[in-house]
Amino acid sequence: AQTVTQSQPEMSVQEAETVTLSCTYDTSESDYYLFWYKQPPSRQMILVIRQEAYKQQNATENRFSVNFQKAAKSFSLKISDSQLGDAAMYFCAYNTGTASKLTFGTGTRLQVTL
Amino acid sequence: GAVVSQHPSRVICKSGTSVKIECRSLDFQATTMFWYRQFPKQSLMLMATSNEGSKATYEQGVEKDKFLINHASLTLSTLTVTSAHPEDSSFYICSARLGGGTEAFFGQGTRLTVV
Repeated sequence: AQTVTQSQPEMSVQEAETVTLSCTYDTSESDYYLFWYKQPPSRQMILVIRQEAYKQQNATENRFSVNFQKAAKSFSLKISDSQLGDAAMYFCAYNTGTASKLTFGTGTRLQVTL
Repeated sequence: GAVVSQHPSRVICKSGTSVKIECRSLDFQATTMFWYRQFPKQSLMLMATSNEGSKATYEQGVEKDKFLINHASLTLSTLTVTSAHPEDSSFYICSARLGGGTEAFFGQGTRLTVV
């Protein structure tokens, strides 16, 4: 069974600084997709960034970037120039294609301090 | 991006009654919808996968007779919690997938409180 592990229950970062959230996964599939979702206090799930496993280039979305290490099955999220609005729960997730369900990690709660 | 609307956002019901939660894809057709349950400070737990026009596929341990899922059209799926009990109190979230796509779009969630 596929599993997604987030080893950091909580992280804290100062405003304007950079923070990296860790995620590892386990799969026997060769083609799959990885995602980072943000869940703010409103609890609305928001897609932050996605990565296709067949792409070697790391995905970036403005201040958000990933470090995708396929051999190590690692998919970390880097948030640069952290803002107060980045405070939220962050979930790493995985699926294998168009019909596949998402498997979520346990989440990392990110605090942003002044 | 695509919009998924979930209704109601909050509901309180009496023990023993049933409550229906709706999940609508507003600007796209969703052949597949997913229903999740989230306990406080925990991750999302998939309850079932709903495909338009067919029976839902339930995850292990989820009571299909208690959590009735209907996906009668390409834009609407419903979750009915039957004979609700206080332990069913939770946050329920739906998501919908664009046909042929890999990204899932989430509704706003429904906080169910059974008293």
